[in-house]
Amino acid sequence: EVQLVQSGAEVKKPGESLKISCKGSGYSFTSYWIGWVRQMPGKGLEWMGIIYPGDSDTRYSPSFQGQVTISADKSISTAYLQWSSLKASDTAMYYCARRAVGGVINDAFEIWGQGTMVIVSS
Amino acid sequence: SYELTQPPSVSVSPGQTARITCSGDALPKQYAYWYQQKPGQAPVLVIYKDSERPSGIPERFSGSSSGTTVTLTISGVQAEDEADYYCQSGDNSGTYNWVFGGGTKLTVL
Repeated sequence: EVQLVQSGAEVKKPGESLKISCKGSGYSFTSYWIGWVRQMPGKGLEWMGIIYPGDSDTRYSPSFQGQVTISADKSISTAYLQWSSLKASDTAMYYCARRAVGGVINDAFEIWGQGTMVIVSS
Repeated sequence: SYELTQPPSVSVSPGQTARITCSGDALPKQYAYWYQQKPGQAPVLVIYKDSERPSGIPERFSGSSSGTTVTLTISGVQAEDEADYYCQSGDNSGTYNWVFGGGTKLTVL
């Protein structure tokens, strides 16, 4: 079964660092782009960035460039999203999702992780 | 920045047809995708490339495109279809830029 399994919920203080993970299984992890999507409480979906684990090619949404770092370790089929200094406004659910291979640049996110809730509060 | 516009809410009675629209200037040249999100769950892809249905998605879900508007149609709506629906597409920049609509809450009366 193809699936993405994300790390568990986190509660952090402002200014702390954090790295959350997304482990792929059931498919060739290096052959598909993995994207990250933010959903703030009660709000819609926002694309943050995407990585190709095969060569770590990474692209960011202009809204998130410089705010987060996306990485991947292909040896353990895991993608990461990290913050160096969290803010209260980073409180949200974060999803990883596998991009389809359909020959379209902004193709569908066909497989989603279960989400990781991040709460930043003093 | 590029935007996709959806109505905040749509309400239908069970068995009726629900239509959710999504508007964007680049849609004549870019494919659209639709996701269903139920409370406390991750989004699920229900339509890709404007009108294609992934395996496992019921036939009552369909998509269409006309000019700058794409439409998700749910025929014979069931109570289990109550959810938030998001359209997604890209702009015409030729770069990676996933854009989501603001979402539409479908209420089954």
